[in-house]
Amino acid sequence: AQSVTQPDIHITVSEGASLELRCNYSYGATPYLFWYVQSPGQGLQLLLKYFSGDTLVQGIKGFEAEFKRSQSSFNLRKPSVHWSDAAEYFCAVGGWNQGGKLIFGQGTELSVKP
Amino acid sequence: NAGVTQTPKFQVLKTGQSMTLQCAQDMNHEYMSWYRQDPGMGLRLIHYSVGAGITDQGEVPNGYNVSRSTTEDFPLRLLSAAPSQTSVYFCASRPGTGGLNTEAFFGQGTRLTVV
Repeated sequence: AQSVTQPDIHITVSEGASLELRCNYSYGATPYLFWYVQSPGQGLQLLLKYFSGDTLVQGIKGFEAEFKRSQSSFNLRKPSVHWSDAAEYFCAVGGWNQGGKLIFGQGTELSVKP
Repeated sequence: NAGVTQTPKFQVLKTGQSMTLQCAQDMNHEYMSWYRQDPGMGLRLIHYSVGAGITDQGEVPNGYNVSRSTTEDFPLRLLSAAPSQTSVYFCASRPGTGGLNTEAFFGQGTRLTVV
């Protein structure tokens, strides 16, 4: 079955600390992987994506993610968190079937302490 | 460049009422989809379309209808609203298979409450 698991529902980090959000997926074909961010009351903004090639991908706002096929993981990282990073983060996997259907994880809510 | 536009942003319905959520994109994308977002469940696919005149069901289609008469528009119809349809609805569009390394673009969402 195709699925995405984000094990951490809620994470709190101090401003300036490093961040890692976990994402594990199950997908039968070559996965296309995405991280989206959602600020309260807003839509989804793409942080970064992985289609092929270099397994370490850089995104916007200083985020990066590493694709590890052997672990079926695509963890999101940021070396120094800013208060404005407080939001909900969604990992998603998809391909070209079913109209480019995306399968989303449950989301991880990030709180940032001053 | 408007991207994906959803209307309305907020809506309150009474049980049994019907309504249509509008979605329009100006990027000439072939693929369009509707998702609903519920707490702790991420986003789940309701219906999708791979081009004008072609639609299909996602994983939670019951109680919803869609049509795709033009490339730009993909309305979602609630036939007889139920409290279980209280949710935030997102429309997304994506280039078709002719475009490599492409991602989905999302609208700002419609927050629907059914009382």
